[in-house]
Amino acid sequence: AQTVTQSQPEMSVQEAETVTLSCTYDTSESDYYLFWYKQPPSRQMILVIRQEAYKQQNATENRFSVNFQKAAKSFSLKISDSQLGDAAMYFCAYSGGSNYKLTFGKGTLLTVNP
Amino acid sequence: DVKVTQSSRYLVKRTGEKVFLECVQDMDHENMFWYRQDPGLGLRLIYFSYDVKMKEKGDIPEGYSVSREKKERFSLILESASTNQTSMYLCASRPIAGGRSEQYFGPGTRLTVT
Repeated sequence: AQTVTQSQPEMSVQEAETVTLSCTYDTSESDYYLFWYKQPPSRQMILVIRQEAYKQQNATENRFSVNFQKAAKSFSLKISDSQLGDAAMYFCAYSGGSNYKLTFGKGTLLTVNP
Repeated sequence: DVKVTQSSRYLVKRTGEKVFLECVQDMDHENMFWYRQDPGLGLRLIYFSYDVKMKEKGDIPEGYSVSREKKERFSLILESASTNQTSMYLCASRPIAGGRSEQYFGPGTRLTVT
């Protein structure tokens, strides 16, 4: 079974600084997708970024980027120029290529200090 | 914009009551999901439905059932609520099968069973 591990229950960053959230996963599949979801205090979960395992290039969405290390099964999220609105719970998630399921990590609570 | 709505943001029920949590999506998505979110445990899949009247058990289906009579609506049923079912419940939908697809989440229902 696939597992997703987020080893940092909480992180904090100063506004305008950069922070990296860690995620590792375990799978025997070759075709899969990785996601970072953000859950702000209002509770609506939204997708931040997605990475296809077959792509070597790391995904980027504005201030958000990932460091995808396929051999190490590592998928970290980097937030540059952190803003107060980035404060949220962040979940790393895994999906197999033809699977319906998303497997989530336990989450990292990010605090942004002004 | 995709919209996933849940019938209640907060719900308080008594032990032994039958509880219905309703989820509606307005984008004609085939797949719908019910998750339970608990601190330190992340999101765990209860049930999912890949089409009308079709359902499959997730990781923690015990004590729950679901109903999907119409494509846009997916209901989670607690047949006899217990205190250990006190939790945040999140509904999600997705347009197509396959691991690449983003899941769209509702705002969540905070259920307290006393």
